[in-house]
Amino acid sequence: TVLTQSPALAVSPGERVTISCRASESVSTGMHWYQQKPGQLPKILIYNEFSQAPGIPATFNGDEAELKFTLTIEPMEGDDVATYYCQQKLTLWTFGGGTKLELK
Amino acid sequence: EVQLQQSGAELVRPGTSVKLSCKVSGDTITAYYMHFVKQRPGQGLEWIGRIDPEDDSTKYAEKFKNKATLTADTSSNTAYLKLSSLTSEDTATYFCTTDIVWGQGTLVTVSS
Repeated sequence: TVLTQSPALAVSPGERVTISCRASESVSTGMHWYQQKPGQLPKILIYNEFSQAPGIPATFNGDEAELKFTLTIEPMEGDDVATYYCQQKLTLWTFGGGTKLELK
Repeated sequence: EVQLQQSGAELVRPGTSVKLSCKVSGDTITAYYMHFVKQRPGQGLEWIGRIDPEDDSTKYAEKFKNKATLTADTSSNTAYLKLSSLTSEDTATYFCTTDIVWGQGTLVTVSS
């Protein structure tokens, strides 16, 4: 399964961020989203499309429509500057290429 | 609390092999599939493969089938990743993860 993510984004503080991930085929085991800041480990944000991981604020939400998955962040804050990856965990794992989110 | 402790940074010559370790503490390794993920400098995450320490079964991403070998030692609660025929393309940080918990990563630098 190939996961294609939107390119880098630059968003102003307080705005809504939408990061997309398109799957090449059905992801029956769910889509997951990670955040990675420079020099840090990936951190799980959303699992199984919609569920927030423990400790993750309600500003992070996941959604899906057929083969298109989205991660929204609202409102955008400076601490959200990071690279975001979608991931599927069928028999073999696949990560999307990552979307680098920056402040405008 | 499960923790993963990975081995230290490696500087290796092209054409050689390297074996990285990932020790599980706080639980038995057989409770998890152990996955390994590659991240080249400034690049994204690539899944290498996973091992089930319960029965040593493995699955690999197609790209890494001739590059990586995963093993596990239940007596020491440790998983291993061996990388062979190293080239500059293998210079990266390698993470082990149970899916929920991640090791701190091991930086492998391939240079003559």
